[in-house]
Amino acid sequence: QKEVEQDPGPLSVPEGAIVSLNCTYSNSAFQYFMWYRQYSRKGPELLMYTYSSGNKEDGRFTAQVDKSSKYISLFIRDSQPSDSATYLCATGFYGGATNKLIFGTGTLLAVQP
Amino acid sequence: DTAVSQTPKYLVTQMGNDKSIKCEQNLGHDTMYWYKQDSKKFLKIMFSYNNKELIINETVPNRFSPKSPDKAHLNLHINSLELGDSAVYFCASSGDTDTQYFGPGTRLTVL
Repeated sequence: QKEVEQDPGPLSVPEGAIVSLNCTYSNSAFQYFMWYRQYSRKGPELLMYTYSSGNKEDGRFTAQVDKSSKYISLFIRDSQPSDSATYLCATGFYGGATNKLIFGTGTLLAVQP
Repeated sequence: DTAVSQTPKYLVTQMGNDKSIKCEQNLGHDTMYWYKQDSKKFLKIMFSYNNKELIINETVPNRFSPKSPDKAHLNLHINSLELGDSAVYFCASSGDTDTQYFGPGTRLTVL
C-alpha cells in the first residue's frame, strides 16, 4: 500500500465548475499537508499548505484536512481553463534537514472553456 | 532570476552511457533534493543534502551519485544508464520552512 493514495483521474470539467480532488494517507503521524500544481512540462509549484484538520482558503482554492479519517481534499471554485494541470497532494514530517515530501500519484485536471 | 535551475532540460542518450544533471538555487536555502518522476507522474525523493552533507538516500542504485560542491549546487551523476532510468528528474530546495521549491525538470530518455 502506498503511503499516499490519490484519485488518478483524469478529470474533465466545464469552465466554472467546482472541482474536488482527493487523497488519503496511511500514516497518522504525518504533520503537514500540501497541494502542488504542475503544469505540463514544468516543475511542481506549491499551491496550498496546511498542518491541521479543517479548511484553509486562498482565493478560489480551499484545502481540507480530516486527520481522523486521514483524508485530504482540494476544492477549486469557479474553475478556469488556466487551472488545467496535474495536482499533487503531498505530506511529510517536520524534520528540518531530514524533511522529505511524500507525494500522491497526481490527478490530471482539464477545464474545458 | 530563476530560483531553482537545472541543466540540461532534455537529455537523450544510449544505454550504458554516463551522464550528469546540474542544479543550482539562488534562494539561499541550505537543503537541496533530487526527485524522480516516472511516466505516471509519480514523484519520489531520491536524495537530500543539507549544507553539502548527504541526509537522505532513498535506496537508489549505486549508479546514481549526487555531488554538492557548495550549498547552492547539487549535481546528479548517473553511470551505466539503463532503460528504466528514463524519467523526469527534478531538483528542489528548501530553507527554514517545509516548503520545497522545484526546478523545471530534466527529461532523460535512455535509448
